[in-house]
Amino acid sequence: AQKITQTQPGMFVQEKEAVTLDCTYDTSDPSYGLFWYKQPSSGEMIFLIYQGSYDQQNATEGRYSLNFQKARKSANLVISASQLGDSAMYFCAMRETVDSSASKIIFGSGTRLSIRP
Amino acid sequence: DADVTQTPRNRITKTGKRIMLECSQTKGHDRMYWYRQDPGLGLRLIYYSFDVKDINKGEISDGYSVSRQAQAKFSLSLESAIPNQTALYFCATSDSGGGSHMANEQFFGPGTRLTVL
Repeated sequence: AQKITQTQPGMFVQEKEAVTLDCTYDTSDPSYGLFWYKQPSSGEMIFLIYQGSYDQQNATEGRYSLNFQKARKSANLVISASQLGDSAMYFCAMRETVDSSASKIIFGSGTRLSIRP
Repeated sequence: DADVTQTPRNRITKTGKRIMLECSQTKGHDRMYWYRQDPGLGLRLIYYSFDVKDINKGEISDGYSVSRQAQAKFSLSLESAIPNQTALYFCATSDSGGGSHMANEQFFGPGTRLTVL
């Protein structure tokens, strides 16, 4: 069975500091994808960043980067220079293969990040 | 206008009532999904559809049914609502194809907050 684990239910970080949100995954598929989504208090789900299992370099999108360690099966999200607006729930997710032509995405339980001014 | 819309946004109903949640999308995506979100459990997949003629059960389909009326419409029904179906429900869509190197991330609707008394 494939699984996503986020071990940090909540984190507090001082504004302007960098923060790392942990995510480990378990899969036997050679081809997979990893995602991070942000859910602010308003409730919407916002796609942040994607890493493919064959990508050679870590994904980056602005202040977000994904620390992809394939051998350890981890895909941690790093937010540089945190801002008050970064306070939200963050979900790690993995694309799970259904069959040769289809896949679906499964989610971890999330980490609630709170930024202190 | 939002790409993925859900109606209603909020609903309070009583145990035993039938209720339908609707989802529409203008993104032209083939794939649509229904999730429920409970505190501490992240998002769990209820049903998903890869095209109009394709319906698949997710990890928690018991007590739910779906209908894919058109490429753009995917509705979720609770035939006889019970209190433990109180949750935030999300519809999502994603594109298909492009190979494993493509993110094909999911785009989420704003959510429907359902309360079953």
